[in-house]
Amino acid sequence: NAGVTQTPKFRILKIGQSMTLQCTQDMNHNYMYWYRQDPGMGLKLIYYSVGAGITDKGEVPNGYNVSRSTTEDFPLRLELAAPSQTSVYFCASRLRQGEGTQYFGPGTRLTVL
Amino acid sequence: DAKTTQPPSMDCAEGRAANLPCNHSTISGNEYVYWYRQIHSQGPQYIIHGLKNNETNEMASLIITEDRKSSTLILPHATLRDTAVYYCIVRAYNTDKLIFGTGTRLQVFP
Repeated sequence: NAGVTQTPKFRILKIGQSMTLQCTQDMNHNYMYWYRQDPGMGLKLIYYSVGAGITDKGEVPNGYNVSRSTTEDFPLRLELAAPSQTSVYFCASRLRQGEGTQYFGPGTRLTVL
Repeated sequence: DAKTTQPPSMDCAEGRAANLPCNHSTISGNEYVYWYRQIHSQGPQYIIHGLKNNETNEMASLIITEDRKSSTLILPHATLRDTAVYYCIVRAYNTDKLIFGTGTRLQVFP
């Protein structure tokens, strides 16, 4: 299986544009996460989901929206992109509550100009 | 979740053991210690985790002190491909989230 896949790998947006970052996992994991990583920093949690139809905010949710209509997919929507959202975005998944091992995708590098 | 403290950077010669320390003096009884690493700009990769006993897998060993206030990740024979940022994370069993700090940048040199 492919694990966690993310598209696109790179994207440049203009200020005020919108886009959706795609994340798919084929491991039948219940939990999925979106993180952002700014240069030289650790990862910060944006949103997470404990199952289809259930999402919750992380540390830095402002400016983002998510949905979880299926187990496999967890898209992240940026509305009105701002330069502060220039970052690398990682999606991750894990199997179930109590199982702490998260599996990460390769990331999407986003630049907002 | 308890906070962790790691040195910002370390060097290690290729073939030698790399010992990466982590302080988690405020850890509570139900919190596990997890280690992840991030090679260049890739997604973080799980390495190992433990509660109070020492743990070993094919990648590394995890030594947790008896009082659980600190731990050491050991890469027994470091290679150039082990050059990465290593994150020590403390997480309660029933917590949904991982909180990443800034980690230790390990440089393995020839």
